Amino acid sequence: AQSVTQLDSHVSVSEGTPVLLRCNYSSSYSPSLFWYVQHPNKGLQLLLKYTSAATLVKGINGFEAEFKKSETSFHLTKPSAHRSDAAEYFCVGSHHSPYSGAGSYQLTFGKGTKLSVIP
Amino acid sequence: KAGVTQTPRYLIKTRGQQVTLSCSPISGHRSVSWYQQTPGQGLQFLFEYFSETQRNKGNFPGRFSGRQFSNSRSEMNVSTLELGDSALYLCASSLEGEAGNTIYFGEGSWLTVV
Repeated sequence: AQSVTQLDSHVSVSEGTPVLLRCNYSSSYSPSLFWYVQHPNKGLQLLLKYTSAATLVKGINGFEAEFKKSETSFHLTKPSAHRSDAAEYFCVGSHHSPYSGAGSYQLTFGKGTKLSVIP
Repeated sequence: KAGVTQTPRYLIKTRGQQVTLSCSPISGHRSVSWYQQTPGQGLQFLFEYFSETQRNKGNFPGRFSGRQFSNSRSEMNVSTLELGDSALYLCASSLEGEAGNTIYFGEGSWLTVV
């Protein structure tokens, strides 16, 4: 079974300081991993995606994440927080569903990390 | 290219009623999946459709159902609404519905059951 754990439910940083949102995963096979951001009353917007091509993945808005197999981690970072980064962030794993036909996938969501940015 | 479109965005229903939510995927995407988001349970998978066939289903009661049309548009239906069904319902689409495909989410439909 696959699980995704976001280690912090809430992170608060000052504007201009680095952001670190932590995500660990467990999977019996190499997963595809995503980070999404959700602003209030909005859907989920894709920040970046890992699919084994490169361990360091660059996303939109200056975010990046590094896949570390030895640590089973996929932490999201940004060098300098902006007030518009305040939102909820979800780490999501995708894997083939063992319960369905060929091609079907299943998503496993972390519980989310709410990022606050202090002016 | 238009994104995933969900309608209606907001709706209020009474306990015992039923509701139908609609989702239009990104053009060319054949997989559509549905999720329920609540403060207490977070994001939970409802079901996934591919080429009009339900391939995968989450752990929800039979009151929750869905379908997909030949143009890949999808609807989900909740019958005999309960207060606990109040949630944000998110639809997502992907090209082939395979692990590793990027999944794009809509803005969601906010359902309030009173």
